Amino acid sequence: DAKTTQPTSMDCAEGRAANLPCNHSTISGNEYVYWYRQIHSQGPQYIIHGLKNNETNEMASLIITEDRKSSTLILPHATLRDTAVYYCIVRVGGGATNKLIFGTGTLLAVQP
Amino acid sequence: DTAVSQTPKYLVTQMGNDKSIKCEQNLGHDTMYWYKQDSKKFLKIMFSYNNKELIINETVPNRFSPKSPDKAHLNLHINSLELGDSAVYFCASSQDLGGEKTQYFGPGTRLLVL
Repeated sequence: DAKTTQPTSMDCAEGRAANLPCNHSTISGNEYVYWYRQIHSQGPQYIIHGLKNNETNEMASLIITEDRKSSTLILPHATLRDTAVYYCIVRVGGGATNKLIFGTGTLLAVQP
Repeated sequence: DTAVSQTPKYLVTQMGNDKSIKCEQNLGHDTMYWYKQDSKKFLKIMFSYNNKELIINETVPNRFSPKSPDKAHLNLHINSLELGDSAVYFCASSQDLGGEKTQYFGPGTRLLVL
């Protein structure tokens, strides 16, 4: 079972920041939080990941709470092409046994 | 430059047939995976291979047999196809970087069993 819970869907206005929340209250100390998105009919696309610290890359920012029980993915300026299902995942397993357990994700609809 | 590629993109076949799906990655990664996404859009891991060695087998029926001829390839052979095998199959690969093993996915193979 997925170790994360996310809202089923969210709307965001084009050009505004999209803030996608995720709860992972049972996360262990050495487990990473990963975010992927899946645009209709395509393969999951890696966005960002983090362990304890906040992270930023060219796509998004990841804010992880101090107790690591929740995180927020921020798309700073959402565009119509950001409409997708966003998956928050706690990566389980170490070494070669690591695996991603996908939940149901959040369908982000960016509105013009 | 395709990082993770799969062939074919679409596969339509009859029940009872045997079919193969191929996956190749040019990222130099040492671990490859197969995931299945069913009609309800749930993505579940099936297998993982590390340096051609099977690591994860998530109680997949033995009609599914992955084969890794080398680190860059992981093929999935399915015997005696059933209606319930209809799904999108995604290949992925990753490289261990000090505990960070970001997985990169292929475009998927859409299998329809009639």
